[in-house]
Amino acid sequence: QVQLQESGPGLVKPSQTLSLTCTVSGGSISSGDFYWGWIRQPPGKGLEWIGYIYNNGRTFYNPSLESRLTISSDTSTNQFSLNLSSVTAADTAVYYCARWYAYYVDYFDYWGQGTLVTVSS
Amino acid sequence: QSALTQPASVSGSPGQSITISCTGTNSDIGSYNFVSWYQQRPGKVPKVMIYEVSKRPSGVSNRFSGSKSGNTASLTISGLQAEDEADYFCCSYAVRNTVVFGGGTKLTVL
Repeated sequence: QVQLQESGPGLVKPSQTLSLTCTVSGGSISSGDFYWGWIRQPPGKGLEWIGYIYNNGRTFYNPSLESRLTISSDTSTNQFSLNLSSVTAADTAVYYCARWYAYYVDYFDYWGQGTLVTVSS
Repeated sequence: QSALTQPASVSGSPGQSITISCTGTNSDIGSYNFVSWYQQRPGKVPKVMIYEVSKRPSGVSNRFSGSKSGNTASLTISGLQAEDEADYFCCSYAVRNTVVFGGGTKLTVL
């Protein structure tokens, strides 16, 4: 059973960088037809795809966030990370990491529990 | 990349059927049969109910079904039950290997 767990600061100051890590257990991020992704949900609002990373390190980002976004992975620790720079209050959200089951299936099959990140001074 | 369009809310009585629409463009729903639907109960993590337009993961009730026509996908829930009350989000694979979600629909079981 694959499990994902987000970790990182719950409070970030405006203009700073939001950094989160997702630790994966029960499966390797370096194998299989999977992308490892981030999704966010502002309080009371809908889901927004942030981006994902494939097992070869290739990344794909939401165009609206691309200029501020970096997703990376560390296969030695089976983790992948999100860095979102120059944050504002609009970046306040629950951030989920999730596995995208790719290649002619294409959906998010496993999700982390989510972590609330608040942008405030 | 614009969000897929869903009605903000739908409602139905127990035992009835409801359908939630999800409208996209030729860059997402219209070009790919990779539409998925997620159920999210309050305070909970989204759960996939439908993938590849109309397939159900193991363990999902056959009361849930999906379809697609052109740029619009639909989720139908038949034999509505109180436990179906939740937010529902559609999702589509899109051009340049991206993903787009719908704005979400709140289902109320009357």
